Amino acid sequence: AQSVTQLDSQVPVFEEAPVELRCNYSSSVSVYLFWYVQYPNQGLQLLLKYLSGSTLVKGINGFEAEFNKSQTSFHLRKPSVHISDTAEYFCAVMGTGFQKLVFGTGTRLLVSP
Amino acid sequence: GAGVSQTPSNKVTEKGKYVELRCDPISGHTALYWYRQSLGQGPEFLIYFQGTGAADDSGLPNDRFFAVRPEGSVSTLKIQRTERGDSAVYLCASSSGHGGNSPLHFGNGTRLTVT
Repeated sequence: AQSVTQLDSQVPVFEEAPVELRCNYSSSVSVYLFWYVQYPNQGLQLLLKYLSGSTLVKGINGFEAEFNKSQTSFHLRKPSVHISDTAEYFCAVMGTGFQKLVFGTGTRLLVSP
Repeated sequence: GAGVSQTPSNKVTEKGKYVELRCDPISGHTALYWYRQSLGQGPEFLIYFQGTGAADDSGLPNDRFFAVRPEGSVSTLKIQRTERGDSAVYLCASSSGHGGNSPLHFGNGTRLTVT
C-alpha cells in the first residue's frame, strides 16, 4: 500500500518570496508522484508529475518538484510566489502497476502582499 | 473540450434518505474514479472503473455506498440511508488509460450535506 505525508497543513508566505511545500511518501513498490492544486470552489488541477527519468520535474505556473528516492520525498518549490498561488496543494502517489491515486491531507498556501 | 461534469453541484438531504450523484467523464476516457473529500482532508479513494466494471471498490466505506457505470461513460454514485457522517464533497475523475501516464482529470465535485 502507498501513503503520503504532507507535514505542513498551512504555509504563510509573502508575495515574491520563495516557497517549499513538503511531501514524503511510503511505498513497497516503485511509484509515480503527483502534485495537484485546488483553488477555492474549483476542482483539482494537475501541477506536475514524476513518472521516471530526470528527478527534477517542471510544471505549470512556475512550480517544480524534485524526486528524492533515498529520502522518499517529492517537495514542491516555487522561487517567487504570487497572490494568485493562494490555494490548497495536494501531493499524491500511485504505485506502478496500480491504478489507485493516494492523496496526502494537503497544504494550504497563503500568499499575502 | 468539456471537462468532467458532476451534478448536482450541491445536494442537501435529510438523514436516512437516498441520494444519487452523477458524473459525466471526458469523452473517450475509459477510467473513472470516485473520491470523497471531507473538510480539511485530502481526497479519499472510493472506487475505480475501467470501462463498465468496477476494477477496485476497496474504498467504499460500507454497503450503503454503491456505484455503477452501465455503458462505460456516465457513472452514478448511490448512497442509501444517508448519515450525517456522509457529508463531504464527492469528487469524480476520469483518465484516458492506465497508470501514471494518464493523469486524472477531476470535476468540481458535488457537495453533499446530510441534515
